[in-house]
Amino acid sequence: AQSVAQPEDQVNVAEGNPLTVKCTYSVSGNPYLFWYVQYPNRGLQFLLKYITGDNLVKGSYGFEAEFNKSQTSFHLKKPSALVSDSALYFCAVRDIYGSSNTGKLIFGQGTTLQVKP
Amino acid sequence: GAVVSQHPSWVICKSGTSVKIECRSLDFQATTMFWYRQFPKQSLMLMATSNEGSKATYEQGVEKDKFLINHASLTLSTLTVTSAHPEDSSFYICSALLVSETEAFFGQGTRLTVV
Repeated sequence: AQSVAQPEDQVNVAEGNPLTVKCTYSVSGNPYLFWYVQYPNRGLQFLLKYITGDNLVKGSYGFEAEFNKSQTSFHLKKPSALVSDSALYFCAVRDIYGSSNTGKLIFGQGTTLQVKP
Repeated sequence: GAVVSQHPSWVICKSGTSVKIECRSLDFQATTMFWYRQFPKQSLMLMATSNEGSKATYEQGVEKDKFLINHASLTLSTLTVTSAHPEDSSFYICSALLVSETEAFFGQGTRLTVV
């Protein structure tokens, strides 16, 4: 079964410092990986995805993520954090190998990012 | 990116009544729509997958008679919470999947409070 793990419930970082939000996955075959961000009482906003190609993926708002096949990781990064980046972040893998092949997303538990001034 | 509109953003209803939530893809046709439920500070729990013109596929443990899903067109799916009770209070989010895209797009979510 496919799964995604975000080992940290919360990440705290000072504004201007680099940030990393961790994600590891377990899938059969090649994964479709995603990062989404959620602000309070809002839906999810797409940040970036890895399907194939370069392991370093650049996305919205200055975020990037590195796909590491040997470590089965897809950590989210940003060189310089902003207070406005404070939100809930979800890593997800798309289920393209299920018997129904619906393409549904399997989410990690979520990581709250707190950026302090 | 594609826009998914979810309505209403919040609703308060009395116990025993039914509530309908709409999810529309505004500028694209969605082959598949998904309905999620989210508890405070928790991850999204997939409730069901709906494809236009066919019956929804519910995840294990989700009562299909309580959470009615209709996907009448390629741009509209609805979730009806029937005979709502306080334990149904939650944040409900829909998402839509394009034929040509690999990522899903999400609605703004609906905060349901049953009193």
